Amino acid sequence: DAGVTQSPTHLIKTRGQQVTLRCSPKSGHDTVSWYQQALGQGPQFIFQYYEEEERQRGNFPDRFSGHQFPNYSSELNVNALLLGDSALYLCASSLATGGGYGYTFGSGTRLTVV
Amino acid sequence: EDQVTQSPEALRLQEGESSSLNCSYTVSGLRGLFWYRQDPGKGPEFLFTLYSAGEEKEKERLKATLTKKESFLHITAPKPEDSATYLCAVLSIKAAGNKLTFGGGTRVLVKP
Repeated sequence: DAGVTQSPTHLIKTRGQQVTLRCSPKSGHDTVSWYQQALGQGPQFIFQYYEEEERQRGNFPDRFSGHQFPNYSSELNVNALLLGDSALYLCASSLATGGGYGYTFGSGTRLTVV
Repeated sequence: EDQVTQSPEALRLQEGESSSLNCSYTVSGLRGLFWYRQDPGKGPEFLFTLYSAGEEKEKERLKATLTKKESFLHITAPKPEDSATYLCAVLSIKAAGNKLTFGGGTRVLVKP
């Protein structure tokens, strides 16, 4: 049973560029959450998608946007990249009816902005 | 706003030297407290969920406990393979959906 799959694993972008990260949830899961983890820090919640809509959002600017597709996969888009956007971006899937339990994380995408 | 603080930030242990990690939290109604293990360059791996004060859970050399204000992760007779960052997170009753609030983590290094 495949877990959460994220692509790409590593990415290097230049300041001002745009980036798209992708996530395929664990089989059977319908909710996708995105987290940003700076080096040496804990993950910070960006937003969550359920039924193709943004369900909740953390304290991130509008440069961060997302999408969920009918097959539950998701994309995270970041526009006008800043050096401070360099981080590990984690995708986590779960069941909306699971009450928050059974979160499964992917291995993340390491984004470096130069 | 929900807050989670973990201490110490880093911990160096000799193999077999037991210790405890602390997770202090402030939350408007706790639905669950989670412990994760994270290896370098990888995503967090689920360890435990605790729901109410007084609850304890064990897995191999790890034991997690919960009070109304904090949680402890006890590592008994650690081995080098227990080296990792341990993350604590809370899920609030008032949090819409499944938003987890994480602490900064404790980096544990176990030397042989």
